[in-house]
Amino acid sequence: AQSVTQLDSQVPVFEEAPVELRCNYSSSVSVYLFWYVQYPNQGLQLLLKYLSGSTLVESINGFEAEFNKSQTSFHLRKPSVHISDTAEYFCAVTRPGGYQKVTFGTGTKLQVIP
Amino acid sequence: NAGVTQTPKFQVLKTGQSMTLQCAQDMNHNSMYWYRQDPGMGLRLIYYSASEGTTDKGEVPNGYNVSRLNKREFSLRLESAAPSQTSVYFCASSESSGLSTDTQYFGPGTRLTVL
Repeated sequence: AQSVTQLDSQVPVFEEAPVELRCNYSSSVSVYLFWYVQYPNQGLQLLLKYLSGSTLVESINGFEAEFNKSQTSFHLRKPSVHISDTAEYFCAVTRPGGYQKVTFGTGTKLQVIP
Repeated sequence: NAGVTQTPKFQVLKTGQSMTLQCAQDMNHNSMYWYRQDPGMGLRLIYYSASEGTTDKGEVPNGYNVSRLNKREFSLRLESAAPSQTSVYFCASSESSGLSTDTQYFGPGTRLTVL
C-alpha cells in the first residue's frame, strides 16, 4: 500500500519570500509523484509531476520539486511567492504498471501575505 | 473546449432524498473518476471508469452508484442521502484507460449538503 503525508495543513508566508511545502510518501515499490494546486472554488489542476529521469522537476509558474528517494520526499519549493500563489496544494502518489490508484495527501493551504 | 463540467454546482438535500450528480468531458478521455473532498482528509476516490462500459469501486463506494453513460459522461447517484455524504464532489478524467502516469483533469466541483 502507498501513502502520502503532508504535515503542514497551513503555511503563511509573506509576498516575495521563499516557501517550501513538504510531502513525504511511503511505498514498497517505485512511485510516480504529483503536485496538484486548487485555487479557491475551483477543481484541482496539475502543477508538476515526477515519473522518472531528472529528480528535479519544474512548473511553468516558478515552482519546483525534487524527488529524494532516500528521504522518501517530494517537497515543493518556490524562491519568491506572489499573492496569486494563494491556494491549496496537494501531493499525490501512484505506482507504475497499468491503472494504479492515486493517493492524495490532505493538502497544504498556502496563504501569501501582502 | 470546456474540459470537465459538473452539474449542479450546489445542492441541499434532506436525509433520504436521492439525486444524481452529472459530469461530462469533451477531451475524448477514456478514464473518468469521482472523488469526494472533506476537510483534513484530502481527496478520496469513490468510483472510477477506465473505459466506456466499465466501472470499478474506489476507496469509499458505499452509498453511491455510478453510470458511464457513454465516453463523455459519468454520473454519480446517491440513492438515499445521509448527512455523512455532505462533501464537495469532484469529477475528473484522464486520457488513457490505464496509465498511472496520466494527468487527471478536474471539474469545478459540486458542493452537497445533506440535512
